[in-house]
Amino acid sequence: QSVLTQPPSASGTPGQRVTISCSGSSSNIGSNTVNWYQQLPGTAPKLLIYSNNQRPSGVPDRFSGSKSGTSASLAISGLQSEDEADYYCAAWDDSLNGHVFGGGTKLTVL
Amino acid sequence: QVQLVQSGAEVKKPGASVKVSCKASGYTFTSYGISWVRQAPGQGLEWMGWISAYNGNTNYAQKLQGRVTMTTDTSTSTAYMELRSLRSDDTAVYYCARGRYDSDAFDIWGQGTMVTVSS
Repeated sequence: QSVLTQPPSASGTPGQRVTISCSGSSSNIGSNTVNWYQQLPGTAPKLLIYSNNQRPSGVPDRFSGSKSGTSASLAISGLQSEDEADYYCAAWDDSLNGHVFGGGTKLTVL
Repeated sequence: QVQLVQSGAEVKKPGASVKVSCKASGYTFTSYGISWVRQAPGQGLEWMGWISAYNGNTNYAQKLQGRVTMTTDTSTSTAYMELRSLRSDDTAVYYCARGRYDSDAFDIWGQGTMVTVSS
């Protein structure tokens, strides 16, 4: 059981916009920033969004993040086949004194 | 280029220990921390702990306290993670990841090391 809650799956067709939610509590998302990672099949995770809504160099602006209260979301616009991957949210948890991850969302491009 | 290169796959028996290495290159090793994250087969990501490459300070996940030790060798820019008293549910891919300088995100990841615990 993960500390952060994500839907196990999401899907969309090429060109569509999809969003993935991440729900936490006051000890994690409510008081700290959220990061998002993309994991393509058989590869290491890759940082996609940091500090709620910042994109590292090289990440397309089709990817965006937002946070409100104890929830966060990742939006992907102009969906492409290469976006098919697992997506994880993460945040620092003050009560656990450690990083916590969501259970991951498998995105399928139909 | 900035990269983390990990040691190869390991097969261990229950009760044994494993030590995984993570060699950094392309940046000043002592300016960043290293976290370790593991992923059991078909499962999500689990943070194991963090070590400062600057002064060796550590912070371990509560669940692994007493079984895990993280160290660094600044002369070779290498971080190590040792896990003791291995159990079958420790079977996972183990990743090292660099902490980004301006946030708590992990911006560079190693390729992963598969550790299999089986009798």
